[in-house]
Amino acid sequence: GENVEQHPSTLSVQEGDSAVIKCTYSDSASNYFPWYKQELGKGPQLIIDIRSNVGEKKDQRIAVTLNKTAKHFSLHITETQPEDSAVYFCAASFNSGYALNFGKGTSLLVTP
Amino acid sequence: DADVTQTPRNRITKTGKRIMLECSQTKGHDRMYWYRQDPGLGLRLIYYSFDVKDINKGEISDGYSVSRQAQAKFSLSLESAIPNQTALYFCATSDSAEYSNQPQHFGDGTRLSIL
Repeated sequence: GENVEQHPSTLSVQEGDSAVIKCTYSDSASNYFPWYKQELGKGPQLIIDIRSNVGEKKDQRIAVTLNKTAKHFSLHITETQPEDSAVYFCAASFNSGYALNFGKGTSLLVTP
Repeated sequence: DADVTQTPRNRITKTGKRIMLECSQTKGHDRMYWYRQDPGLGLRLIYYSFDVKDINKGEISDGYSVSRQAQAKFSLSLESAIPNQTALYFCATSDSAEYSNQPQHFGDGTRLSIL
């Protein structure tokens, strides 16, 4: 089955700096890659996703890049703010598949 | 996501008890999922359902069962709870599409503790 590795497990940045979280996947058939943000006491919330026919996608301060050859994808958050502090999960799935295979999460702390 | 409601939000119970966690959604989605979250392990799929008559096992279904009572309702049962089932449980929904994955939307979870 699909194996998704996520790094780093914890990340601390100063407000205004950029944060980058990286994930690798094992199944070359995977073609859907969402990113979720989970705040304390809440469920994961989709923040951005990318499909394999696209190399990069942006939404305001958040961007995701995908390298299909290397089988890795990354989340980039620019101009970080304290409210960006949360646990972020990457996931991978293949076409019309049922399962999202999640990474183990990155705890991001943005300090003022 | 208020459109996906899980009850109860917290539950403490004893080993051997039968537990039911409930999930209801107002998003009109056909697909529903149950995940388990453990510290440091991410989320793992327990069961999923593509419609009322379709139930499938996920990665970690042993010790669990589900029931899809209606399009909007999907419940998870632990027939005889054991301490290593202590975890955070999430329900999720997604729209259906024949050839592409659709985003999954999560409820706020049920924190289950088994003593």
